[in-house]
Amino acid sequence: DQQVKQNSPSLSVQEGRISILNCDYTNSMFDYFLWYKKYPAEGPTFLISISSIKDKNEDGRFTVFLNKSAKHLSLHIVPSQPGDSAVYFCAADNNAGNMLTFGGGTRLMVKP
Amino acid sequence: EAGVAQSPRYKIIEKRQSVAFWCNPISGHATLYWYQQILGQGPKLLIQFQNNGVVDDSQLPKDRFSAERLKGVDSTLKIQPAKLEDSAVYLCASSLGAGGYEQYFGPGTRLTVT
Repeated sequence: DQQVKQNSPSLSVQEGRISILNCDYTNSMFDYFLWYKKYPAEGPTFLISISSIKDKNEDGRFTVFLNKSAKHLSLHIVPSQPGDSAVYFCAADNNAGNMLTFGGGTRLMVKP
Repeated sequence: EAGVAQSPRYKIIEKRQSVAFWCNPISGHATLYWYQQILGQGPKLLIQFQNNGVVDDSQLPKDRFSAERLKGVDSTLKIQPAKLEDSAVYLCASSLGAGGYEQYFGPGTRLTVT
């Protein structure tokens, strides 16, 4: 039973345009959500997070939106750059001890 | 600040053999995690340590997998005997504490079981 799902395995975007990565979850106990970015042969690195008490969090070119009623979150990257090409994972935590549940990842390719 | 170190980076073994992975977390990080990432999937938590005690190992296949964190610093993850389906990247992560702290990941160990 996948509690966190990323339904798009890949996404291709032109440089300078917006990238939108989506994530859905089923467990209503999740109250903290994170996005991680992963390059080949490296471990995931933390990108941005959002608490369930908020519906938006912004950090530079990266914005995460949370829709609790729909159990859906999205990551917006504006403008997209070729260096953003990586696999992006969303993860969820029920704040009971930092035990993250990850989605399957979306491979983003930003074309110059 | 040094990151999370893992070794070896790659390992190829035959099924039924044993293998061990090592992790050195970021200095001062009390919480350590081992994840299994199968190709095309997200990381799955296997075990979480707080200092040298186990917080959660509910997803660790205990008939073949074991992990320890002696002295609350370094950790080893062992598989004995390995199965074909254990082929994956094994990621170690650490955080300052449990609950609300960012997890820092090592580069992982890619295990291939033939």
